[in-house]
Amino acid sequence: QSALTQPRSVSGSPGQSVTISCTGTGSDVGAYNYVTWYQQNPGNAPKLIIYDVNKRPSGVPDRFSGSKSGNTASLTISGLQAEDEADYYCCSYAGTYTLAVFGGGTKVTVL
Amino acid sequence: EVQLVQSGAEVNKPGESLKISCKSSGYSFNSYWIGWVRQMPGKGLEWMGIIYPGDSDTRYSPSFQGQVTISADKSIRTAYLQWSSLVASDTAVYYCAMGLGASGSLGYFDHWGQGTLVTVSS
Repeated sequence: QSALTQPRSVSGSPGQSVTISCTGTGSDVGAYNYVTWYQQNPGNAPKLIIYDVNKRPSGVPDRFSGSKSGNTASLTISGLQAEDEADYYCCSYAGTYTLAVFGGGTKVTVL
Repeated sequence: EVQLVQSGAEVNKPGESLKISCKSSGYSFNSYWIGWVRQMPGKGLEWMGIIYPGDSDTRYSPSFQGQVTISADKSIRTAYLQWSSLVASDTAVYYCAMGLGASGSLGYFDHWGQGTLVTVSS
């Protein structure tokens, strides 16, 4: 069982918006503004798309956005495109003992 | 340009020892944390541990403490992940990764190696 809980899959049609939740606890997601999101395509290394809850690295399209409320972080993909079909993982800093934890991953399917 | 180049795929038997590597270039190796992430076949990412090569400060996820050893050789800008006695459940792809950006999170990785597939089978 993963430390952070994500839905196993979400889907949407091109142009629609999808939101992926990432639920942790008051010791990780709820305690720190250090949530990152990664996109992973089959056979490839993960790619950073959101860090510190809602910041986008340069080169990441602005249709990707992040937010947090309490113990749950969210990644929203607006204007879904075929190339967004991939696995998405959240990760949170979790303090000086556990250090960092990933979610179980969410497969995004573009219908 | 930052590059993390990992060693090639390995096939080992249970009980054997193994050390895989991650050679870095394009940044100040001593000044940034470099971590390891496991991905078992068909499964998600797992944060294993991290090392600061400048002073060899090493931290492990409780799930991996005592199961693996992370080290670094500053002279050749290389980080390592090693096992003293492999088991079948160590079969996975292992990624090294580092964060060059502004985040203070140990879960922040903006550069990744290509992954090393470790297969443990008798």
